[in-house]
Amino acid sequence: DGGITQSPKYLFRKEGQNVTLSCEQNLNHDAMYWYRQDPGQGLRLIYYSQIVNDFQKGDIAEGYSVSREKKESFPLTVTSAQKNPTAFYLCASSITPNTGELFFGEGSRLTVL
Amino acid sequence: KNEVEQSPQNLTAQEGEFITINCSYSVGISALHWLQQHPGGGIVSLFMLSSGKKKHGRLIATINIQEKHSSLHITASHPRDSAVYICAVVSGGGADGLTFGKGTHLIIQP
Repeated sequence: DGGITQSPKYLFRKEGQNVTLSCEQNLNHDAMYWYRQDPGQGLRLIYYSQIVNDFQKGDIAEGYSVSREKKESFPLTVTSAQKNPTAFYLCASSITPNTGELFFGEGSRLTVL
Repeated sequence: KNEVEQSPQNLTAQEGEFITINCSYSVGISALHWLQQHPGGGIVSLFMLSSGKKKHGRLIATINIQEKHSSLHITASHPRDSAVYICAVVSGGGADGLTFGKGTHLIIQP
């Protein structure tokens, strides 16, 4: 079945450590997105990619980095520069940017100890 | 940036009741998504619409472009409908043109 796979589902990190969240899709979608969800807030865009080897910052990119070396994969690194990294992170994809149905992964919950 | 407001924020109802969740936005859009976030956190797309009405099973979504308003209805609600329902609007050409509401937390009691 086609879909998006995020891993890990739960992750604990000590302050000062970088962590990388995985996002893989087998839907052959060009566009992929990373969102952050905090309690009581709408999803906020961290980074997005419209094509391989290209990506753009979203509204809250500071302290995060991404890569898009393959169409299927869009990993997100939460760096030690991110001031408040504890959150729920969602990866999504669509056929093209902002057109067509959105597909989401199951999310990754990051807790900084 | 588009402002998206959902109401109510929280809704508890009895099994079988007709449910309505509302979404209003401030700027003209090209499309609107209704999404369902289940308790585990994953999100499923329910509808994408740009005009009129769509129906899937017990779910109905409507949109009024002139009034900048959309509604999601659930008929014959069931406890398995308990979830957070999120409205998202598309008002730009790039991925940053998608704005999400804060969600409506629905609980259906048996």
